[in-house]
Amino acid sequence: GAVVSQHPSWVICKSGTSVKIECRSLDFQATTMFWYRQFPKQSLMLMATSNEGSKATYEQGVEKDKFLINHASLTLSTLTVTSAHPEDSSFYICSARDRDRAYEQYFGPGTRLTVT
Amino acid sequence: GNSVTQMEGPVTLSEEAFLTINCTYTATGYPSLFWYVQYPGEGLQLLLKATKADDKGSNKGFEATYRKETTSFHLEKGSVQVSDSAVYFCALKRGAAGNKLTFGGGTRVLVKP
Repeated sequence: GAVVSQHPSWVICKSGTSVKIECRSLDFQATTMFWYRQFPKQSLMLMATSNEGSKATYEQGVEKDKFLINHASLTLSTLTVTSAHPEDSSFYICSARDRDRAYEQYFGPGTRLTVT
Repeated sequence: GNSVTQMEGPVTLSEEAFLTINCTYTATGYPSLFWYVQYPGEGLQLLLKATKADDKGSNKGFEATYRKETTSFHLEKGSVQVSDSAVYFCALKRGAAGNKLTFGGGTRVLVKP
């Protein structure tokens, strides 16, 4: 149990286009999901906290108009990278918090975004 | 604020060697402490955790003890395997509900046969 999926697992897009990444909790309800960005050989940087039915809370320095987050249901959150540029290329990881399991966080497998 | 410091890698070991990855933290109150593992090309998986002082988390032969007096949570394994090659992240969280994880910088471990 406690599986989190992400789709797609990797994506290549052209500069200026937008890309949507989905994060799903497959067998539990997640009132809160987190979006992280991981640069090569570095740690995870929290980008935003996504709460079901409300606006996401962004960390300092993260552009909310560039990284749009929607958490429309208890099992799905999406991250849209708008007008992507090569510097947005990264590994994006989501996690979902299970409210029924002592608020454990479960991580998705990540999405590798390459902007050309 | 909260912070986690862990030893920089890479750590290169031979199979069956003893592994230690140091982790120290700064936080007010009594955080919960975690070790996550990230295998190549994959997301993070929870390896073990401890929620209060002197607790020992263990899983897959790995152990870590929550040491409040030294604010540490060092990860150890007595005999590593090639399959343990991965990046290991120490992390903390304050409180049970709603609080975000703070990660250390990660330590890459490479086990050679």
